[in-house]
Amino acid sequence: DTEVTQTPKHLVMGMTNKKSLKCEQHMGHRAMYWYKQKAKKPPELMFVYSYEKLSINESVPSRFSPECPNSSLLNLHLHALQPEDSALYLCASNGGRNRGGYTFGSGTRLTVV
Amino acid sequence: AQSVTQLGSHVSVSEGALVLLRCNYSSSVPPYLFWYVQYPNQGLQLLLKYTSAATLVKGINGFEAEFKKSETSFHLTKPSAHMSDAAEYFCAVIDDKIIFGKGTRLHILP
Repeated sequence: DTEVTQTPKHLVMGMTNKKSLKCEQHMGHRAMYWYKQKAKKPPELMFVYSYEKLSINESVPSRFSPECPNSSLLNLHLHALQPEDSALYLCASNGGRNRGGYTFGSGTRLTVV
Repeated sequence: AQSVTQLGSHVSVSEGALVLLRCNYSSSVPPYLFWYVQYPNQGLQLLLKYTSAATLVKGINGFEAEFKKSETSFHLTKPSAHMSDAAEYFCAVIDDKIIFGKGTRLHILP
């Protein structure tokens, strides 16, 4: 299995809702990432987990809360989002050797209304 | 810090013509360079990667890229464009994290 699977593919939520994005990989990668991508822009790094521990938080607002329950799963909990948080959220994993590059999921298209 | 610069936010080529997407890098050490493709409403797919084994790198879908240290370039090429190649292309380098260029939108003209 050489894929990163993200669910759901699409999500519409109100500003008072609580929702979660899920990401799963079974490649044995010990580094996992959340990216946010706005239209016509490159992905922006949000969080990095290394060996299930949060290693990088790129000054992301607290309404985004990541969680890594085990080495295969990565969640992003969403609460009290703003319309400007609408974007494509991408998960990625890395085998720990930079020369391999990152494997990206297909993303969750989030719309905040 | 390492960085990449993509020249041209939009490139249009006719179907069957040569595709050339430009990427220049800035790095004080031998870089790990990548090209990713993103189709509409999709994630990023790795096209090819340079890891210092060979300067000419072949990727998927007929794409290739040549690492030229003297020009600090890693341009992406494909001999004959296909309509299905229309997408956003990102050049990237890995420092302590992956760093993307701003992207180039490739348009294929019939």
